[in-house]
Amino acid sequence: QQQVKQSPQSLIVQKGGISIINCAYENTAFDYFPWYQQFPGKGPALLIAIRPDVSEKKEGRFTISFNKSAKQFSLHIMDSQPGDSATYFCAAIPKGTYKYIFGTGTRLKVLA
Amino acid sequence: GAGVSQSPSNKVTEKGKDVELRCDPISGHTALYWYRQSLGQGLEFLIYFQGNSAPDKSGLPSDRFSAERTGGSVSTLTIQRTQQEDSAVYLCASSYQGFPNTEAFFGQGTRLTVV
Repeated sequence: QQQVKQSPQSLIVQKGGISIINCAYENTAFDYFPWYQQFPGKGPALLIAIRPDVSEKKEGRFTISFNKSAKQFSLHIMDSQPGDSATYFCAAIPKGTYKYIFGTGTRLKVLA
Repeated sequence: GAGVSQSPSNKVTEKGKDVELRCDPISGHTALYWYRQSLGQGLEFLIYFQGNSAPDKSGLPSDRFSAERTGGSVSTLTIQRTQQEDSAVYLCASSYQGFPNTEAFFGQGTRLTVV
């Protein structure tokens, strides 16, 4: 069964620190890896995404690192801010399909 | 509106009753998805529509769950004879084509509570 495992379940970071969330997948046929950010009472919103032919993608303070051989990808939030406090979901989309398979989520709290 | 709209935002129902959840996708989006989010859990895929057809219903938990989409637009998720384990936030998303690498836009969800 295709799965995406996400860790940690929760994370507390001081303002200005680096938040790191990790995901691992078990099926090599995934070809798109988006990260979604969800605030309480809201639906998830796309934050950043990467394809497996790229090892890193940066957008502002957010960076995805992708390790194809290890089947792992991670989200780094630099200079974390209290406004970043939210739940983050990694996802993977099997090649040739449309079905987003989500990780279990990481609840991030950034202390002021 | 410009986003995915879901109604109602909250629904409390008695065990055994039927409920209907509605999703209005972004205009022009051909793909529509239903996901379920239980407390503290990830996003569980339920069903995917391409136009009015549903090529993948594999995530529907039981035959009490059904969904339809009409006019390539509005979708309704129906849960019959609701059970307490059906309590969750039901999220709808839409995307332009439904192919990989196309951003899925989510609605705010319907919080269903079965008492």
